[in-house]
Amino acid sequence: DAKTTQPPSMDCAEGRAANLPCNHSTISGNEYVYWYRQIHSQGPQYIIHGLKNNETNEMASLIITEDRKSSTLILPHATLRDTAVYYCISLLGNTGTASKLTFGTGTRLQVTL
Amino acid sequence: ETGVTQSPTHLIKTRGQQVTLRCSSQSGHNTVSWYQQALGQGPQFIFQYYREEENGRGNFPPRFSGLQFPNYSSELNVNALELDDSALYLCASSSRVSEAFFGQGTRLTVV
Repeated sequence: DAKTTQPPSMDCAEGRAANLPCNHSTISGNEYVYWYRQIHSQGPQYIIHGLKNNETNEMASLIITEDRKSSTLILPHATLRDTAVYYCISLLGNTGTASKLTFGTGTRLQVTL
Repeated sequence: ETGVTQSPTHLIKTRGQQVTLRCSSQSGHNTVSWYQQALGQGPQFIFQYYREEENGRGNFPPRFSGLQFPNYSSELNVNALELDDSALYLCASSSRVSEAFFGQGTRLTVV
């Protein structure tokens, strides 16, 4: 699985969009990009994943560059409850086959008033 | 709420003892994965069980072992506990058509 690089921390004002970058320059053609988040003292929560097309769901949008070497997770209107550590993971396989997750140290997002 | 439940929520053990942690998977999920999360670190993959068989293992010694039962619930056993085993232990369940859903974890303290 390709290594991912994320900034250690970011701040975002409540109500604004939070844009979390992830670099995965060694990603192979059949590796997906997954995003999970972990709110303090809870288990990680799945957010979204994609292969090469941009994806959107009720939680977030995922923008993957055309060369697939980086991606951005967008929380369109961040709230205080979005304060968490966000993990970007690149992984072979889709859905259930992609459950052997390799977490890095993630980005700690702090949403402020 | 993910439907994945872990017990106990907290546990204190003495170095050298053995511990068993339990996980009930979400309905319809036949795969359970276990992770160890040390303070300030991301979760580290321990092993995965699929239909009662081990299906992949991370870089953990043999004193970390597991079981999966016919109802797909699972146990993580750790023998000869060491101080460095103190961590949050997370269980995740998944299926062929779903991503991994995590439980709230068991906080293990070894003294």
